Amino acid sequence: GNSVTQMEGPVTLSEEAFLTINCTYTATGYPSLFWYVQYPGEGLQLLLKATKADDKGSNKGFEATYRKETTSFHLEKGSVQVSDSAVYFCALLNSGYSTLTFGKGTMLLVSP
Amino acid sequence: DAGITQSPRHKVTETGTPVTLRCHQTENHRYMYWYRQDPGHGLRLIHYSYGVKDTDKGEVSDGYSVSRSKTEDFLLTLESATSSQTSVYFCAISGGGDRVKDTQYFGPGTRLTVL
Repeated sequence: GNSVTQMEGPVTLSEEAFLTINCTYTATGYPSLFWYVQYPGEGLQLLLKATKADDKGSNKGFEATYRKETTSFHLEKGSVQVSDSAVYFCALLNSGYSTLTFGKGTMLLVSP
Repeated sequence: DAGITQSPRHKVTETGTPVTLRCHQTENHRYMYWYRQDPGHGLRLIHYSYGVKDTDKGEVSDGYSVSRSKTEDFLLTLESATSSQTSVYFCAISGGGDRVKDTQYFGPGTRLTVL
């Protein structure tokens, strides 16, 4: 079946540092890919997505590029802020009834 | 998301008791989902619905049942709660209204503790 693998956290950075969170997937075909973010005590929110190979999703300074050659969708941000501290989930859309397969999540902690 | 509510938000119960969690949406989405979130496991799909009275099992469905008698409500029932079902439960919706159909929108979660 489909699967998503994310780097384990926590990732600890200082404010204004560069962020990369790795995500790779195993799936049949070329599924849509997503990054969701979960702030403390809240539900998940869509951060960005890409629906086909070479697409770049972007939002709030975060970016991720759909790389079919490496089956990857790494999340990047050039300069993180304390307010970016959260758990980030990579996910892929399964065919059929639109279910998602999630990675285990990566916690990001940003200090001033 | 303002269009999705979950009730209760917190619940403590004892082993062996039945528990029902409710997800309510106001956005006329076709698909509804129940996930559980546990440390080290991310989110795992329990059950989902693709229409009124149409449901199917997810990855971790043992010990859970669901019902959807109308578009806006999706109920998750633990017939006899066990300590392994202590978790945070999230409802999600997709596929309707003016929202993009391939994206899921999540409720605020229900924290369930089974003693």
